[in-house]
Amino acid sequence: QSVLTQPPSVSAAPGQKVTISCSGSSSNIGNNYVSWYQQLPGTAPKLLIYENNKRPSGIPDRFSASKSGTSATLGITGLQTGDEADYYCGTWDSSLSAGVFGGGTKLTVL
Amino acid sequence: EVQLVESGGGLVQPGGSLRLSCAASGFTFSIYSMSWVRQAPGKGLEWVSYISTSGSAIYYADSVKGRFTISRDDAKNSLYLQMNSLRAEDTAVYYCARVIGGPFYSYYYMDVWGKGTTVTVSS
Repeated sequence: QSVLTQPPSVSAAPGQKVTISCSGSSSNIGNNYVSWYQQLPGTAPKLLIYENNKRPSGIPDRFSASKSGTSATLGITGLQTGDEADYYCGTWDSSLSAGVFGGGTKLTVL
Repeated sequence: EVQLVESGGGLVQPGGSLRLSCAASGFTFSIYSMSWVRQAPGKGLEWVSYISTSGSAIYYADSVKGRFTISRDDAKNSLYLQMNSLRAEDTAVYYCARVIGGPFYSYYYMDVWGKGTTVTVSS
């Protein structure tokens, strides 16, 4: 059981938009910035979003994110087959004194 | 090129020990905090441990506390994870990652990841 809650899977057609939610509590998302990671099949995770809504260089602006209260959302527009991956939210939990991740969301581009 | 390369994984019997290493290159290792993250077969990411610069602050997941020890050698640009009393549920790919922020900040994220090393605990 992960500390952060994500939907197990989402799907959409190429060119469409999808959102992935991440729900937490006041000890994690509520008081800390959220990051998002993309893990393509068979590869290591890659930082996609940091500090709630900032993109590292090289990440296209098709990827965006936001945070409100104890929840965060990742959005992907103009879906491509190459976006098929597992997506994870993460942050620090001040009560646990530990890093925490969501359970991951598998994106399928139909 | 900024790079992290893990090594030391392998097959070990339950109750055994293993020491993972992570060699950093392409950046000033000593000024970054580091973490270990693992991923069991077919499962999601699980945070394992964090070490601050100079090793002054260390944190562990409850699942490994008392069995795993994180350490670093800045002179060798290396991060380590000593794993003792290994269990079947420790079977996973172990990733080392460079950390930005940490428990004393309001932000904590991992901006560089290694490719991982596989640990299998089985008799």
